[in-house]
Amino acid sequence: GNSVTQMEGPVTLSEEAFLTINCTYTATGYPSLFWYVQYPGEGLQLLLKATKADDKGSNKGFEATYRKETTSFHLEKGSVQVSDSAVYFCALIQAINYGGSQGNLIFGKGTKLSVKP
Amino acid sequence: DGGITQSPKYLFRKEGQNVTLSCEQNLNHDAMYWYRQDPGQGLRLIYYSQIVNDFQKGDIAEGYSVSREKKESFPLTVTSAQKNPTAFYLCASSTRQGEEQFFGPGTRLTVL
Repeated sequence: GNSVTQMEGPVTLSEEAFLTINCTYTATGYPSLFWYVQYPGEGLQLLLKATKADDKGSNKGFEATYRKETTSFHLEKGSVQVSDSAVYFCALIQAINYGGSQGNLIFGKGTKLSVKP
Repeated sequence: DGGITQSPKYLFRKEGQNVTLSCEQNLNHDAMYWYRQDPGQGLRLIYYSQIVNDFQKGDIAEGYSVSREKKESFPLTVTSAQKNPTAFYLCASSTRQGEEQFFGPGTRLTVL
């Protein structure tokens, strides 16, 4: 079945450090891939997305590239800030015509990031 | 402002009582979803609805019920049959199934 695997946290970094959060997926065909961010006590916000192989999603200094050959969608940021402290979720939507999840979001378990000043 | 509202933000109930969580959206989205979030387990799909008057069970529907009488509203009832109802509940919507989803702020339910 479809699944998403993220690196386990928590991840603790100093301000201005480089961030990588690994995400790999298992799916049939060509899913769309997403990164969501959840700040403490809040709902999820879409951070970035990519809908086909080699697409790069980017937002607020974060980037992720859809790599079909390695089934990966790793999240990166060159210089993190204290305000980036949150939980990050990688997710996919299986294309409806491939059945399975019928077009619903499949989430990884989340990676908690803490950035220290 | 368009968006998704969930109320209340915090909800307390006694064991054995049914409780209904509200979810309203003014984004004109056809599809709506309910998720449950527990620490360290990510999000799990409870129910989803692709269109008014229709809904399907997700991965963990037991002990929950929903209705979709209006396009804007998708309330979730946590029944006394749900063995461990204390959790953070998130509602989401999308233009249609298979498109990116937008989330509400969530309701934290605590059963005493």
